[in-house]
Amino acid sequence: EAEVAQSPRYKITEKSQAVAFWCDPISGHATLYWYRQILGQGPELLVQFQDESVVDDSQLPKDRFSAERLKGVDSTLKIQPAELGDSAMYLCASSPRMNTEAFFGQGTRLTVV
Amino acid sequence: KQEVTQIPAALSVPEGENLVLNCSFTDSAIYNLQWFRQDPGKGLTSLLLIQSSQREQTSGRLNASLDKSSGRSTLYIAASQPGDSATYLCAVEVGGGADGLTFGKGTHLIIQP
Repeated sequence: EAEVAQSPRYKITEKSQAVAFWCDPISGHATLYWYRQILGQGPELLVQFQDESVVDDSQLPKDRFSAERLKGVDSTLKIQPAELGDSAMYLCASSPRMNTEAFFGQGTRLTVV
Repeated sequence: KQEVTQIPAALSVPEGENLVLNCSFTDSAIYNLQWFRQDPGKGLTSLLLIQSSQREQTSGRLNASLDKSSGRSTLYIAASQPGDSATYLCAVEVGGGADGLTFGKGTHLIIQP
């Protein structure tokens, strides 16, 4: 069964360091999302791609966060520098196209110390 | 701004009971609604997707209904089992698809053996 792959599963980093997360969506899925989930809350959208283009990054803290999907397949989310408040689960999801069923990966649990 | 509320926040019931989880949203102009399951420390598993033109969807012991005009959805779980213990999240997507999914905070469900 096709899955959204994310790595690493867990990451501990020191404040002010750089950190990067990788996502490989289900093959053929044009739409890719990055969400952040704080413990006890629902996920919140950070950035949405359609193929290689960003269609929504209004909630992405652009002073420290960046995301890319250069060839319209896999994607990388970067934080530089990391802050204590960035500790959360970072979830990647994909869907065949916009407004269709979304499938999530297992997430990356980030702890900033 | 779309807001999604899930009631109750937590629920504990004996095995075998039928139960209902509630989801409400403030803006009825949605394109679809999706129910997810999340196990502790894991990603989200898609359970059911209801298009705005549909009234309900069924999968095994799960049935989800949608009343778009009143901004409500329910997830019905029949004959609950301990393996159903998880957090259940409701999410809505607006037309155009450029805003991703807006999530509620979830209902934490415990099924007692």
